[in-house]
Amino acid sequence: EPEVTQTPSHQVTQMGQEVILRCVPISNHLYFYWYRQILGQKVEFLVSFYNNEISEKSEIFDDQFSVERPDGSNFTLKIRSTKLEDSAMYFCASSEGWLGGYTFGSGTRLTVV
Amino acid sequence: QKEVEQNSGPLSVPEGAIASLNCTYSDRGSQSFFWYRQYSGKSPELIMSIYSNGDKEDGRFTAQLNKASQYVSLLIRDSQPSDSATYLCAVNSGSARQLTFGSGTQLTVLP
Repeated sequence: EPEVTQTPSHQVTQMGQEVILRCVPISNHLYFYWYRQILGQKVEFLVSFYNNEISEKSEIFDDQFSVERPDGSNFTLKIRSTKLEDSAMYFCASSEGWLGGYTFGSGTRLTVV
Repeated sequence: QKEVEQNSGPLSVPEGAIASLNCTYSDRGSQSFFWYRQYSGKSPELIMSIYSNGDKEDGRFTAQLNKASQYVSLLIRDSQPSDSATYLCAVNSGSARQLTFGSGTQLTVLP
């Protein structure tokens, strides 16, 4: 069964550093997303991406964050100048259409120390 | 602010029983509704989607949607210990390219 692949599975970074989280969505999917889940809290929407541009972004997704699809397969989330409160599980997801169900990757656990 | 509300539980049922999970949503324009299962430390896994009023069955799972009442439910028949997980209700509004998740209901199936 096709899957969304995320790397790394766990990233530890020092406060103030930049991190790049990587994702390979399912190949025939057209919509891509980043979500995050702080431990014990809800899954929160960050950004959706379609046709090489951001479709929607949440209030969380401020200038500290950016997304990119550098080639035909990868989809990245960059977090600049990380803060302690950025520590969370970050999930990439993809879907064929924007009303359909999403397939989530296994996540990257980001720990900012 | 679009809200999705779930009873946080925990909900405990004996093995073989029916587990009933409920969800309400605030946005009347919502068009698609999903149930995800999330094991501790893992990613959400899609188990059911429903788009129109009524029931949708898939194996031991039945999703029910009532748009007039803004209510979605999930029934799990013949519950198994392996069904023990947190169940997330998620809603996609008509104008938003995003899912809004509830806080999840933690289900424990007792052997």
